[in-house]
Amino acid sequence: GESVGLHLPTLSVQEGDNSIINCAYSNSASDYFIWYKQESGKGPQFIIDIRSNMDKRQGQRVTVLLNKTVKHLSLQIAATQPGDSAVYFCAENGDSNYKLTFGKGTLLTVNP
Amino acid sequence: DAGVIQSPRHEVTEMGQEVTLRCKPISGHNSLFWYRQTMMRGLELLIYFNNNVPIDDSGMPEDRFSAKMPNASFSTLKIQPSEPRDSAVYFCASSGGGLGNQPQHFGDGTRLSIL
Repeated sequence: GESVGLHLPTLSVQEGDNSIINCAYSNSASDYFIWYKQESGKGPQFIIDIRSNMDKRQGQRVTVLLNKTVKHLSLQIAATQPGDSAVYFCAENGDSNYKLTFGKGTLLTVNP
Repeated sequence: DAGVIQSPRHEVTEMGQEVTLRCKPISGHNSLFWYRQTMMRGLELLIYFNNNVPIDDSGMPEDRFSAKMPNASFSTLKIQPSEPRDSAVYFCASSGGGLGNQPQHFGDGTRLSIL
């Protein structure tokens, strides 16, 4: 079946730099995408979501970009901080109005 | 505001024993999800409730697993009898009403170890 994948399993950045986490999806029926942050010992924490009628959505220090032409999703974190260190998951809905398919995750490490 | 609350946070038990995991969703949310997370398989949806009714249980691995939602503020996931391969982190998530997909908000999970 179709699934969500990530280009990079690990990403290491310096504190203060901007981070970009990428995600490729293959289900063209997906019209809802979401990013989660998971810290050790905790559950996935909602960061930001985007629907397919948008190309870009901004939150606090985060921006999600959606390129439907190449089925690519990215999460940009501005001025990365040590507290941003975590595993980041992207997820898509496929053709469902409730089910999410999660990617494998990218481990972000922020070096002081 | 209180998030999704799960209990216990950790459970260690011997194989063959019954295990009951509990979840209190966010007040006002009408959708509830149970997930299992392992290193090998990632996050897997086990079962989905909407308005306390099980809608999709296709992810429940086998008859040893069962889930209930007797009311809008409480759900249980039960494993009987438990096996070592059930060891994983089990998450509950809830989402609110509204048209189309809504963000799912997760609890901090129950780390289950079956010896």
